[in-house]
Amino acid sequence: GAVVSQHPSWVICKSGTSVKIECRSLDFQATTMFWYRQFPKQSLMLMATSNEGSKATYEQGVEKDKFLINHASLTLSTLTVTSAHPEDSSFYICSASIVQSNYGYTFGSGTRLTVV
Amino acid sequence: GDSVTQMEGPVTLSEEAFLTINCTYTATGYPSLFWYVQYPGEGLQLLLKATKADDKGSNKGFEATYRKETTSFHLEKGSVQVSDSAVYFCALSGGNDMRFGAGTRLTVKP
Repeated sequence: GAVVSQHPSWVICKSGTSVKIECRSLDFQATTMFWYRQFPKQSLMLMATSNEGSKATYEQGVEKDKFLINHASLTLSTLTVTSAHPEDSSFYICSASIVQSNYGYTFGSGTRLTVV
Repeated sequence: GDSVTQMEGPVTLSEEAFLTINCTYTATGYPSLFWYVQYPGEGLQLLLKATKADDKGSNKGFEATYRKETTSFHLEKGSVQVSDSAVYFCALSGGNDMRFGAGTRLTVKP
């Protein structure tokens, strides 16, 4: 079945540094990927939608200069949290849309970011 | 670890039929439970949620009750519409992350 590999699964970084999270589709092509953020016990918040080869579409209130999204190929999308601050600490998860599938979507396993 | 098992799809119904999508979970502690819906080409949307046992989440005619005794959170709707065609995900959050079910594709035919 369609598998999305997301890594790292957890990362601790210092304030002011940047962190890159990768979301890779292993056995299918993903034209569209979604990035979400989740606070403890809260629902997911869609941050942005990325389409291969074009700029990501960010949801209202999400700083595009802080959360850089790149979708350079049909199998890889990256989210870079720039100049991280403790308030950026959260759980980030990606989801990929499958080009040709009756199913349609699959999720990465998520990344827990802690900024100290 | 925590996990969610969701009824496999696809599910095809006629308009105005009754819908049930089963969801059971395994968790330590007392997680929050969610149902998300994803329409073609769009991101996930929160459909409803419940944060403690016996809570009932409801939205747009959909309902789900947090059943601790059966560790279930089944999604129901009394009369589906064509516009309900989408993929539905059951999920839980124990605090540090979110676990999803595999998703159930629902197609409603006129």
